[in-house]
Amino acid sequence: AQSVSQHNHHVILSEAASLELGCNYSYGGTVNLFWYVQYPGQHLQLLLKYFSGDPLVKGIKGFEAEFIKSKFSFNLRKPSVQWSDTAEYFCAVNAKNTGRRALTFGSGTRLQVQP
Amino acid sequence: ETGVTQTPRHLVMGMTNKKSLKCEQHLGHNAMYWYKQSAKKPLELMFVYSLEERVENNSVPSRFSPECPNSSHLFLHLHTLQPEDSALYLCASSPSLATSTDTQYFGPGTRLTVL
Repeated sequence: AQSVSQHNHHVILSEAASLELGCNYSYGGTVNLFWYVQYPGQHLQLLLKYFSGDPLVKGIKGFEAEFIKSKFSFNLRKPSVQWSDTAEYFCAVNAKNTGRRALTFGSGTRLQVQP
Repeated sequence: ETGVTQTPRHLVMGMTNKKSLKCEQHLGHNAMYWYKQSAKKPLELMFVYSLEERVENNSVPSRFSPECPNSSHLFLHLHTLQPEDSALYLCASSPSLATSTDTQYFGPGTRLTVL
């Protein structure tokens, strides 16, 4: 079974600061990795995903994430955050070759960007 | 976005009540999911349906009963719930279960409070 750890539960940044949110997963096989975002009052939506190829993945709104296989990590980054990035961010994983498609989520990181 | 809708958005019920949550997707997807989001805990998968057939039941108590009458609609029937069942219930859909890299699209959720 897979598991996902997000060690930062609550992050507070000022606008223009750089962001890095940690995500580590535990699973012995090959995986697909996802970052979802939930803005206040809105539904979960996909930010970016990785399934093969270049381990540096670019998503919407200037976000990117890097898959480091040796570290079982898929950290989310943004060079300069904006107030509108205030949201909760969820890392998720599913296994490639088991036939099980449902996502295993981390507990989320609440990002608060102060103007 | 109105790709996946859920009703009601908020529900308060007593432990002896029977109620149902409804999910509808307008994306032409064949797979649908129920997740539970409790405070301070990761999203937990409850059920997965593919082409109206339940393919996964993640050890969910029988007081939760899903129904998928067609590929666009998913229900979660609730009866004799416990206060610890209070949570946000999220519905999601994806194109199919054939591809593990498909994005799941989430609805806004139903906030359930059990008194």
